[in-house]
Order: sequence, then structure tokens, then C-alpha cells
Amino acid sequence: QQQVKQSPQSLIVQKGGIPIINCAYENTAFDYFPWYQQFPGKGPALLIAIRPDVSEKKEGRFTISFNKSAKQFSLHIMDSQPGDSATYFCAASMGNNNDMRFGAGTRLTVKP
Amino acid sequence: DAGITQSPRHKVTETGTPVTLRCHQTENHRYMYWYRQDPGHGLRLIHYSYGVKDTDKGEVSDGYSVSRSKTEDFLLTLESATSSQTSVYFCATIGNNYGYTFGSGTRLTVV
Repeated sequence: QQQVKQSPQSLIVQKGGIPIINCAYENTAFDYFPWYQQFPGKGPALLIAIRPDVSEKKEGRFTISFNKSAKQFSLHIMDSQPGDSATYFCAASMGNNNDMRFGAGTRLTVKP
Repeated sequence: DAGITQSPRHKVTETGTPVTLRCHQTENHRYMYWYRQDPGHGLRLIHYSYGVKDTDKGEVSDGYSVSRSKTEDFLLTLESATSSQTSVYFCATIGNNYGYTFGSGTRLTVV
């Protein structure tokens, strides 16, 4: 039973487009929601994270939108570039962060 | 993946053989984690450690054991490898920013 559901599985956009990746969670005790970016042959790397006390967080071209009542959060990539082509994972954890639950991942392709 | 080294990077082993994967960190982090990554499942926690000789089970711990005799090393052992354990294994630590830092992974194939 996956506690964090991620969609879509794959996404193709043109350069400059705004890909949006969505995640939904079940456990209302989750209080930390990060996004990770993974390139082939590498481990995931923390991209951006949000706590449920805010509805939006921006870091450069990456934005997390958070809807606590709907138990959903999403990643938006502004002005996407071919270098953003990677697999993106959403995740959620609670308390001491020792059992982070990951979504299944979204493979993003940004075409030149 | 600064500060975390996983070894080996690739391994092919036969069903029923024991396998040990190693994670070495240089930043003196207290917490260390082992995850496996499979298509359609994302990353799933196998075991984690919160100090020397202190470990606990994760979501998919069956068939795996871990040991941590030194702060810098966290070992994952498959006592008797099965084909269902073919996967990419990642070690992680938790940094000051509360986020996980992952190693580069070990690709394990059980034939």
C-alpha cells in the first residue's frame, strides 16, 4: 500500500514549458514533503521541500504547491530546460524523519 | 553524493548466496538508511540506523539484515539472495537541512 501516490509516470514537454508533477498522501501525520531529482546512474538529490504550514515555496525555477485539505502537493518547473530531464520523486515523512515514504517517480523529458 | 561511498557499484550473484553491501560516510552523521529502488515502487526503506549498534526495520526488511559497528560504516546483508532482491540499493544519511543525502547506489542482480 503506497502511502504517497505520484502522477504522471512520465511526462514530455518542450523547452520553456511548465511541467507539473502531482502527489497525494494519505497519512495526515506527515509534516515534511520533499522533492528529489535523480539523473541516470546517480542517487536522488534533494531539490526542494515544504512544511504544511505554508501553501507554496519557490526556489529558483522550482515551486512546490501544497494543499493540506486535499492532502496533495505538486512540483512546477518554470521555463523547463533539457538539463531538467530526470526522474523526480515526491516524498513524505513525519516527526524524526526516519521513515520517509516515496512516490513511484515521474520520468520527465524536456525536448529542445 | 559527497561524503557517501557505496561498494560495490555493481554485483551479480547467484540465488542462495550471501551478499553484503557497504555504505561508508565521512561526515559523522548519526542516522543512516538503506533503501531499494524498483520501477513502479520508488524508493522503499529496508533498515535504518540511529547510532552504533542501534538499528531498526523499515518497510521491506524481510530477507535483509544490517550492522553498524562504526559510525562511518553501515552494512546491508542479504543472507540468502533471491531473484526478488534484484534491485538498485541506495544508502542515505540525513543532513543538517533535514533532507536525505544519497549515495550513488549499488546495482545488484541475482541470477
